[in-house]
Parts: sequence; C-alpha cells; structure tokens
Amino acid sequence: GESVGLHLPTLSVQEGDNSIINCAYSNSASDYFIWYKQESGKGPQFIIDIRSNMDKRQGQRVTVLLNKTVKHLSLQIAATQPGDSAVYFCAENTSGTYKYIFGTGTRLKVLA
Amino acid sequence: EPEVTQTPSHQVTQMGQEVILRCVPISNHLYFYWYRQILGQKVEFLVSFYNNEISEKSEIFDDQFSVERPDGSNFTLKIRSTKLEDSAMYFCASSPGGDSEQFFGPGTRLTVL
Repeated sequence: GESVGLHLPTLSVQEGDNSIINCAYSNSASDYFIWYKQESGKGPQFIIDIRSNMDKRQGQRVTVLLNKTVKHLSLQIAATQPGDSAVYFCAENTSGTYKYIFGTGTRLKVLA
Repeated sequence: EPEVTQTPSHQVTQMGQEVILRCVPISNHLYFYWYRQILGQKVEFLVSFYNNEISEKSEIFDDQFSVERPDGSNFTLKIRSTKLEDSAMYFCASSPGGDSEQFFGPGTRLTVL
C-alpha cells in the first residue's frame, strides 16, 4: 500500500548547527504535507505544512522543502537548540480525503 | 490558548472489557480525529469525523471501534471488547478545516491486561 517513510531513524546534531530531516512519500496523489514534532509523553505538535503547489515554505527557524519529482519532503531547522530534541514525523494527505498517513519518525538529538 | 483535552490520561482494563476514551476538541473546530501510537512506533490514523458522521476510517478501525459526538463538546472513542494489542496511546485531534492544521490532545495511554 501507499506509505510515507523516513530515511534516518536518528539524527544527532551539535547545538547551533542546522538540522535536516528527510521524508519520502510514495503516494503521488498526496498534495498536502505536514511536519509534526513529538516530545516524550506528549501528542504531536504541528510545526509547518506545505501544499503541492509550493516547493518551499518558511516558518520561524524552520523551512519545509517539497520535491514532487522525486516525492521527497524535508524539514530544515536553523540553529538547532536543545529544545528541538524530539521525534519528528511527516504526514501526508490527499485533498478531498480526511485520512492522514504518518511516516515512521526521526529522532533528533541535540548535543550541547 | 484553546487546546484539545483528553480523559483519562491512563486507562487500565482487562482484555474483553469495553473502554470509552474521551476528548474535548477545540470549540470552533469542525473536524475530529482519532489516532493511535503503539509504544515506539509511528502515529496511525484511525478515523476522521465531520458533520456527525465518519468521513474516513482506516483498516485498523474495525467493528470493535466506534466514535460518537454525544453533545456539542465531547468526542468519544469506544472499544467494545479490548484486546492485548489495543494497548497504545490514543490521540484525539481537531481542526477547523479538513485539510488544515490539526491540534492534538495529550493522549490517553490504554493498557490492556
């Protein structure tokens, strides 16, 4: 079946460096993508989203890039801070449906 | 700031028992969701709900599951006859639109013994 997956299960970065978390999706019909952050013992927290009519969207310290040609999504975190340590999930959705498929998650560890 | 709330935070039950997990979505939201997350695994979609009916459900959401919005504020997930493999965190979420930011609750940890 269609699925969303992540290349790296764990990513360790030095505090202050930039982080890049990747996600591959396989459903070419997906046109809405979301990045979530999940801290230990908490529910997922929305970070940023992007629709398929865009290839880049920026938020505060975060940027999402979408490459529809290779079905790839990435989350860039600038100047990574200890508070960024969490598991990051990408999720996909197809317009007209109300089902969201989550990827397997990447754990980001920020080293002091 | 409005938030999604869930009760209880932890539910322990015996296999075969019925459980009801409760959620209070954000008041002006129209779309409601249940997800589950088995320990250490990814978040899995269970069901979406809009206009007092199920919009979409996953393969996981079989006949033992049901959802209800019994009044203007609560959104519940019922598991009729729990199995050991139902042990997981269950998250409720709500959103103002069908393809907009979803706000997740803190989750209910269900333990089936």
